[in-house]
Amino acid sequence: AQSVTQLDSQVPVFEEAPVELRCNYSSSVSVYLFWYVQYPNQGLQLLLKYLSGSTLVKGINGFEAEFNKSQTSFHLRKPSVHISDTAEYFCAVSPSSNTGKLIFGQGTTLQVKP
Amino acid sequence: KAGVTQTPRYLIKTRGQQVTLSCSPISGHRSVSWYQQTPGQGLQFLFEYFSETQRNKGNFPGRFSGRQFSNSRSEMNVSTLELGDSALYLCASSLDRPNTGELFFGEGSRLTVL
Repeated sequence: AQSVTQLDSQVPVFEEAPVELRCNYSSSVSVYLFWYVQYPNQGLQLLLKYLSGSTLVKGINGFEAEFNKSQTSFHLRKPSVHISDTAEYFCAVSPSSNTGKLIFGQGTTLQVKP
Repeated sequence: KAGVTQTPRYLIKTRGQQVTLSCSPISGHRSVSWYQQTPGQGLQFLFEYFSETQRNKGNFPGRFSGRQFSNSRSEMNVSTLELGDSALYLCASSLDRPNTGELFFGEGSRLTVL
């Protein structure tokens, strides 16, 4: 069975500082990996995804992530955060790109302080 | 292009009642998935429908059911409500072809069971 572990439940960081949100997954088959963001009282929005190809994936709002198969990780990074990045971030895995079934991690709350 | 629309946004029910939630996907999207989000369990997959057929199902009791209509709109129903069913219920739609792996989420229906 597939599973996703987000190693930090909360990450406080000052504005303009870099940030890394960690995600590890377990799967015995090839996977597709996603990061979603959820702002208060809203649904989820896709930040970026890894389906195949280059292991460094760039997404919206200046975020990027690196797929590391040997370490089964897909950490999310941003070199300089803004107050508006305060939100909850979810890592997710799927056995196929052609399915609406995702396995989500527990989420990481990013708190950007002025 | 209109996004995923969920109705109602908020509702309060009492134990033992039933509830029906509605989801209108983005025009052209034929896949609709449902998720339950709670503080304790996080985001959990309920089921996915494609072309009026259930394609995937999560690990929820039979009190949770869904269906999809010919226009791709979907409904989910929860019967004999329990306190633990209080949650944010999220609907997501996706394209089948070309498939990008991206789910587009609605803002959710927040159910409170008293």
